[in-house]
Amino acid sequence: EDKVVQSPLSLVVHEGDTVTLNCSYEVTNFRSLLWYKQEKKAPTFLFMLTSSGIEKKSGRLSSILDKKELFSILNITATQTGDSAIYLCAPAGGTSYGKLTFGQGTILTVHP
Amino acid sequence: SQTIHQWPATLVQPVGSPLSLECTVEGTSNPNLYWYRQAAGRGLQLLFYSVGIGQISSEVPQNLSASRPQDRQFILSSKKLLLSDSGFYLCAWREAGVRSRGYTFGSGTRLTVV
Repeated sequence: EDKVVQSPLSLVVHEGDTVTLNCSYEVTNFRSLLWYKQEKKAPTFLFMLTSSGIEKKSGRLSSILDKKELFSILNITATQTGDSAIYLCAPAGGTSYGKLTFGQGTILTVHP
Repeated sequence: SQTIHQWPATLVQPVGSPLSLECTVEGTSNPNLYWYRQAAGRGLQLLFYSVGIGQISSEVPQNLSASRPQDRQFILSSKKLLLSDSGFYLCAWREAGVRSRGYTFGSGTRLTVV
């Protein structure tokens, strides 16, 4: 059975802090790992990682994948209140149907 | 461009009543379609996925069923709702056979069974 574990489950920080969110996974026929941000409704796509060691960056967010150790991290620097959300990690594997197995998510709260 | 529509946005239904949630995708053909449920603001659980008309795969045995009567239409149903069916239901699509940017999600339906 595919497993995805995210840590911490929740995190409270102040604006300007840097946070690191963790995701470890065990997925059959791993293909890629995706990160999503969910505020009130639909999750929105952040990154897709397919290769180990190549950091993806988008502004203050960055992510890296380690396919040998089966984990990924998402870093957010200089956090802002608008970063408050649930961050979901989702490795893709199995058949070519592209099923994603989601972790429980990390609830990030950024206080002013 | 592609868009995904999901309705209704919120729903309050009594126990034992039927359910029908609809999802449609525009601007693409033969998408892979998915229904997920999210309980209490946590991770998403895959319920059903479909790779074509009339082709439905179930991931979790439950009180729900899904159908795909048209290429870009995906319906989640129940004959008799249970309290445990409450949750946030998300429809998603992905371009078949292409390593793209992952799923695009609909805006979700928040279902409360009372």
